[in-house]
Amino acid sequence: KAGVTQTPRYLIKTRGQQVTLSCSPISGHRSVSWYQQTPGQGLQFLFEYFSETQRNKGNFPGRFSGRQFSNSRSEMNVSTLELGDSALYLCASSRRTGGNTGELFFGEGSRLTVL
Amino acid sequence: GEDVEQSLFLSVREGDSSVINCTYTDSSSTYLYWYKQEPGAGLQLLTYIFSNMDMKQDQRLTVLLNKKDKHLSLRIADTQTGDSAIYFCAEGGSYIPTFGRGTSLIVHP
Repeated sequence: KAGVTQTPRYLIKTRGQQVTLSCSPISGHRSVSWYQQTPGQGLQFLFEYFSETQRNKGNFPGRFSGRQFSNSRSEMNVSTLELGDSALYLCASSRRTGGNTGELFFGEGSRLTVL
Repeated sequence: GEDVEQSLFLSVREGDSSVINCTYTDSSSTYLYWYKQEPGAGLQLLTYIFSNMDMKQDQRLTVLLNKKDKHLSLRIADTQTGDSAIYFCAEGGSYIPTFGRGTSLIVHP
């Protein structure tokens, strides 16, 4: 079956702009998590959505937001971009049901460069 | 708070064994994971171990878990150049695993 799909794969923005990233999870997966990956900070958790509700949130400013649609697809938005927002943004989906191993399935990421 | 630590780099010769180490802090973790990230790609689950196990072997991979010391290791036997990647240790007791910063494994001929 198809894996996790993230779009766009690459994008370049300037400071002050805003960006929207999209993630389509594996069919049947209702949980979508977002991570920011940078060389300096490693992999940092942004937020998780399940059944269109944000269930968990990491320690990021309010400029970072997200949502999930009824078909489990998710978007994240970053407003008022800063240079430090340059990163690889990874989306991961999972079944989020009791009894499973908690494995996350990652997309290939959206690489954002802020100039 | 929760924290997962691992060394940032490991360099090995092709054919040797690689051992990547990790320490974690959350003793309630149900599963501990090893994910692999190849260049330009997302993370992919390599293997996992249930918290009541001490060891798990899967072909060239051996995972050792020392719950007392909260220490997890991944051994890759007969390391190949295709094993060059970043390896992430992660602990999970809820639906949101906590990841280490990743160990870059460099395999040279």
